[in-house]
Amino acid sequence: GNSVTQMEGPVTLSEEAFLTINCTYTATGYPSLFWYVQYPGEGLQLLLKATKADDKGSNKGFEATYRKETTSFHLEKGSVQVSDSAVYFCALSEGTNAGKSTFGDGTTLTVKP
Amino acid sequence: GAVVSQHPSRVICKSGTSVKIECRSLDFQATTMFWYRQFPKKSLMLMATSNEGSKATYEQGVEKDKFLINHASLTLSTLTVTSAHPEDSSFYICSARGSFGGYTFGSGTRLTVV
Repeated sequence: GNSVTQMEGPVTLSEEAFLTINCTYTATGYPSLFWYVQYPGEGLQLLLKATKADDKGSNKGFEATYRKETTSFHLEKGSVQVSDSAVYFCALSEGTNAGKSTFGDGTTLTVKP
Repeated sequence: GAVVSQHPSRVICKSGTSVKIECRSLDFQATTMFWYRQFPKKSLMLMATSNEGSKATYEQGVEKDKFLINHASLTLSTLTVTSAHPEDSSFYICSARGSFGGYTFGSGTRLTVV
């Protein structure tokens, strides 16, 4: 079956530090890959996505590249802000109508001033 | 576009009562919606897939008689937690497939059973 493995947290960084959250996956087919962000007390919001190998998703300074050869989709940001403090989930979904998403366990990021 | 509205955002109910959570796709039609449960500091667990006009498909280990799902229209799915108990207290989130190819999530419902 499908699975998503994220680096364990929590991650604590100082403002303007470089962020990497690792994500690797296993899938039987050719999934689409996503990063979602969940701020305290809120639901999930799509942060970025990539639908095929070598695609780069980007949004709000965050980037992730779909690496088929390493089955990875690591999230990066060059300079984090306090407002980036949240839980980040890596996820995959397969097929146009399959529907189900498989999530990683989430990584809690805390950015200190 | 691709907005999913979920309410209530928070609900406190007495043990033994039932609670209904609604999930609406506001600007698109969702033939399929998904219901997740999130435990503290844990990832999302898919509970069931809600199909418009047909019975929901439940994941293994999820009690279908306890978590009633109805998908009466292309824009509305409801989850009813019947005879709620304190162990049902959790964060419930719905999602629907959006036009961008990913999934739009509702803002979640914090259920507390006392």
